[in-house]
Amino acid sequence: GAGVSQSPRYKVAKRGQDVALRCDPISGHVSLFWYQQALGQGPEFLTYFQNEAQLDKSGLPSDRFFAERPEGSVSTLKIQRTQQEDSAVYLCASSLGASPGETQYFGPGTRLLVL
Amino acid sequence: LAKTTQPISMDSYEGQEVNITCSHNNIATNDYITWYQQFPSQGPRFIIQGYKTKVTNEVASLFIPADRKSSTLSLPRVSLSDTAVYYCLVGDISTGNTGRRALTFGSGTRLQVQP
Repeated sequence: GAGVSQSPRYKVAKRGQDVALRCDPISGHVSLFWYQQALGQGPEFLTYFQNEAQLDKSGLPSDRFFAERPEGSVSTLKIQRTQQEDSAVYLCASSLGASPGETQYFGPGTRLLVL
Repeated sequence: LAKTTQPISMDSYEGQEVNITCSHNNIATNDYITWYQQFPSQGPRFIIQGYKTKVTNEVASLFIPADRKSSTLSLPRVSLSDTAVYYCLVGDISTGNTGRRALTFGSGTRLQVQP
């Protein structure tokens, strides 16, 4: 079946612009995660949804970052007034249930470059 | 969260067995050990998970000594396509865990397989 998809795959933004990154999880997956991956580093957690509820947003670096999953499926990560330090790959992952330790299935990521 | 330490990089040749060791001295009783693999321009992919002794699947084996303070991912007869970054993760996946579900990645081990 289809895996996790993300769009766009690449995004170039001028500093100060707003961007929106989309994640389509595997159909029926309850849990959805966003991670940020800087060059040469491992992914770092941003936020977690269980269905439409955002249960953990402790990893969001600033109030410029906002995520939503209004119908419990597709999710959007929005970054307002982008800064150069926001340049990174943004990964989305989903898992079937809500139990800890369930295998997470990652999308290919969106590579954001802020000039 | 238990901290993990892995070699930054490893080199190997096609057909060889590769063993990547991860140290996790502060592993807790309920913590499991999970390994993910990440190819360039892709999201991480689950490889294997274990609690103690040895676990084997079609891709790899995971060796965990009795004290659980380290673990070794073993890749038999690697090929060029095994060139990737390998992450060791430690976390509590017990059903009673009410902590966050997010994965905590380190910097990983960059494996380069030569012909």
